[in-house]
Amino acid sequence: AQRVTQPEKLLSVFKGAPVELKCNYSYSGSPELFWYVQYSRQRLQLLLRHISRESIKGFTADLNKGETSFHLKKPFAQEEDSAMYYCALSGSARQLTFGSGTQLTVLP
Amino acid sequence: ETGVTQSPTHLIKTRGQQVTLRCSSQSGHNTVSWYQQALGQGPQFIFQYYREEENGRGNFPPRFSGLQFPNYSSELNVNALELDDSALYLCASSFSTGTQETQYFGPGTRLLVL
Repeated sequence: AQRVTQPEKLLSVFKGAPVELKCNYSYSGSPELFWYVQYSRQRLQLLLRHISRESIKGFTADLNKGETSFHLKKPFAQEEDSAMYYCALSGSARQLTFGSGTQLTVLP
Repeated sequence: ETGVTQSPTHLIKTRGQQVTLRCSSQSGHNTVSWYQQALGQGPQFIFQYYREEENGRGNFPPRFSGLQFPNYSSELNVNALELDDSALYLCASSFSTGTQETQYFGPGTRLLVL
């Protein structure tokens, strides 16, 4: 079975502060991990995927297989980063398993 | 290039009724997945269709069924609606190449069962 856990439902940081959204997963094989973001009144959209090893909008995420984690980080949060963030896992079946999401609020 | 579209945007039904939700895939995509998102939860995988065949199913009862058409548009049908079926239903399309692909989501259909 595959499972994704996002321990924080709500996270608030001040503008310019570092932010880390936690994601832990459970999967017996080699998963592909994603971060999806949903801005207010917009559809769910891909932020980044671990296989690309990109930095999108200043966000990065490193897959740690030992700790089975895929935390999302940004060194300096901006107000426009306020959104709902979902971590998701895709196994061999190519279906996405989502965590329950973290609502990030960046305060001015 | 057009994105994923879904219809209707909102729907109200009563318990026991049947509902059909529709999805139009992004141009060039051959795979469609459906998800149910209850309030305060992440999306849950219902099933996936690839080239008009069901290609995987989550933990949902048989009263949830689907179709994919030759133009890769799709329908989600739910029979004998229950109150717990109230949720946002998301459709996502992708182009399957045999490796992991990115899924692009539609805006969703919000279903309320009374």
